[in-house]
Amino acid sequence: NAGVTQTPKFRVLKTGQSMTLLCAQDMNHEYMYWYRQDPGMGLRLIHYSVGEGTTAKGEVPDGYNVSRLKKQNFLLGLESAAPSQTSVYFCASSYDRGNTEAFFGQGTRLTVV
Amino acid sequence: GNSVTQMEGPVTLSEEAFLTINCTYTATGYPSLFWYVQYPGEGLQLLLKATKADDKGSNKGFEATYRKETTSFHLEKGSVQVSDSAVYFCALSDRQGAQKLVFGQGTRLTINP
Repeated sequence: NAGVTQTPKFRVLKTGQSMTLLCAQDMNHEYMYWYRQDPGMGLRLIHYSVGEGTTAKGEVPDGYNVSRLKKQNFLLGLESAAPSQTSVYFCASSYDRGNTEAFFGQGTRLTVV
Repeated sequence: GNSVTQMEGPVTLSEEAFLTINCTYTATGYPSLFWYVQYPGEGLQLLLKATKADDKGSNKGFEATYRKETTSFHLEKGSVQVSDSAVYFCALSDRQGAQKLVFGQGTRLTINP
C-alpha cells in the first residue's frame, strides 16, 4: 500500500537549472497539493489540483509550474531554480474537500546552490 | 486571510510529563481543525481532527477540543513517551473548494527518558 510517493527524495541544483518533482498516489484521490516546508514557517501551499487536467495557484506559486495530466500524478516544475527555492517539498492528496484527511508523501529535499 | 499560530518551540519534557501545545486560529466561517505530526525523516500524518465547535478529536492518547469562543485547538496528552518526540503542526481548512490546509509554524517536541 504505497499511498503518496515522491521522487526524487534528494536533489542539488545549480542556480538556473530546471527540474521536475513527481508525485504519484494510488488511492484514487481527486485532490492533490504541493507544499513547501521552511524552518519556522510551517508548510505553505504552492499549487493544487481538484481533478485531472486542472491546476490552481496556492499561497506561494511564483517560480513554479504544475501539471496533472493523469489523475494519479501531479508534477511540480522549476524552470529556473533560485537559492530561495531551497526547501523541503511535500506532495499530498485527499479524497474530498474540507474535513477529510490529507495524505502526505515523505518529501523531497531540494538544495539550490 | 486565514492563519494559525502555535506556541513556539522547541519543547523538551521528561517521560510521563503532561503536554500542552497551544494553537489559536483566525478564520472566516467555520473551519475544520487538525493536528498533524511529523516524525524524523517522514512526511506529515494526521494525528486528530475536529470539524465543528466543541468537538473533541483524540488519538494515541492525544486530545484537542475545538473552542470557537477562544478560537483555539490546544493539543494535550496526559503522559508523554519518548516515542512522541516529533514536530507537531496545527492546521485549518476552510472547507470551501479544495482542502487547502493553512499550517502553523510547527512545534518540535523532545521527550527525554
